Amino acid sequence: GAVVSQHPSRVICKSGTSVKIECRSLDFQATTMFWYRQFPKQSLMLMATSNEGSKATYEQGVEKDKFLINHASLTLSTLTVTSAHPEDSSFYICSAEKEDTPYGYTFGSGTRLTVV
Amino acid sequence: QQQVKQSPQSLIVQKGGISIINCAYENTAFDYFPWYQQFPGKGPALLIAIRPDVSEKKEGRFTISFNKSAKQFSLHIMDSQPGDSATYFCAASMAGNTPLVFGKGTRLSVIA
Repeated sequence: GAVVSQHPSRVICKSGTSVKIECRSLDFQATTMFWYRQFPKQSLMLMATSNEGSKATYEQGVEKDKFLINHASLTLSTLTVTSAHPEDSSFYICSAEKEDTPYGYTFGSGTRLTVV
Repeated sequence: QQQVKQSPQSLIVQKGGISIINCAYENTAFDYFPWYQQFPGKGPALLIAIRPDVSEKKEGRFTISFNKSAKQFSLHIMDSQPGDSATYFCAASMAGNTPLVFGKGTRLSVIA
């Protein structure tokens, strides 16, 4: 089955530093990847949609300069949280849609980011 | 505007009982309705999904009921077990590389 590998699973960083989260589709090509953020005891909220080779589309209220998304290949998308602050502490989850497979959403295992 | 409304927020069910979670949607362009199970610290895992051309789908102990005219769908977990204790999310999407829109989630606790 389709697998999305997300790393790191947990990261603690100091306020003001940047953190990169990677999502790789291991056995399929993902033309589209979605990035979600989930605060404790809340639902998954879409942050942005990235398509391979083009700029990401950000949801309203998500700062594109703070949350940099790169989807340089059909198997890798990265989310960089720049100048992180404690309020950015959250659970970040990626989801990849398999090429030519409608509704073939596969989720990564998530990254717990704690900014201290 | 919340596109997918989920209830209840939390649910406690006796072992062996039936767990029922409901969702309602607003966008009639949605044509894919999955349910996800999530354990703490993990990503969501697909449980079961349905398309609007059928009114019910069953996989093992899990059943989706779908009412297109009412724009509602529900998850039934038969013979609920303590291992089913998790947070369940309904979601919806439409065709064409579009993201899933999630409900707010239901925390299910199955007690012995």
